Amino acid sequence: SQTIHQWPATLVQPVGSPLSLECTVEGTSNPNLYWYRQAAGRGLQLLFYSVGIGQISSEVPQNLSASRPQDRQFILSSKKLLLSDSGFYLCAWSVSSNQPQHFGDGTRLSIL
Amino acid sequence: DAKTTQPTSMDCAEGRAANLPCNHSTISGNEYVYWYRQIHSQGPQYIIHGLKNNETNEMASLIITEDRKSSTLILPHATLRDTAVYYCIVRAGGDYGQNFVFGPGTRLSVLP
Repeated sequence: SQTIHQWPATLVQPVGSPLSLECTVEGTSNPNLYWYRQAAGRGLQLLFYSVGIGQISSEVPQNLSASRPQDRQFILSSKKLLLSDSGFYLCAWSVSSNQPQHFGDGTRLSIL
Repeated sequence: DAKTTQPTSMDCAEGRAANLPCNHSTISGNEYVYWYRQIHSQGPQYIIHGLKNNETNEMASLIITEDRKSSTLILPHATLRDTAVYYCIVRAGGDYGQNFVFGPGTRLSVLP
């Protein structure tokens, strides 16, 4: 069966510091991969999605970037974090765009 | 904005069926109905989805009305671990760039 792993589970970072969140999927090949942010009490905002290695589409212009160095690895990065980057970051995968997305357990990011 | 409306909260006795309603009166012909649930501090968990036929899997059943303007998620034998916020989402397949618009959802409490 397929599994998705995100780490770390929680992270506290100072303003201006860099960020790297990692997501890996096991048990499937060439998945579609997604990064979302969930603000407290609100819905999920799609940040990036990827249909293959090195292919990244950005949905929201902001302080973040994404990379897919391997088929089942998706990384969310920032060079300098802002206070507004705080939130709950979720990685997800799907077999295709017509199939449901399956989410990891998320990273709760706090910026001080 | 969410395209669905759900009751804010519901209670269900352990072992009984939990029936969670959802209205989606503006659903388009190419939009699927998805159900997810989220337990505090975890990522959303996919439950089931459908287009116009009723669906059943190992977790739940989905009943969609003939006009597709509403649906019901049925958990046949609710357990305490089913306590969560349940989200009904309508989303077109094949559209990578479309956010998962989670509304407030229904907070289901399964009582012993």
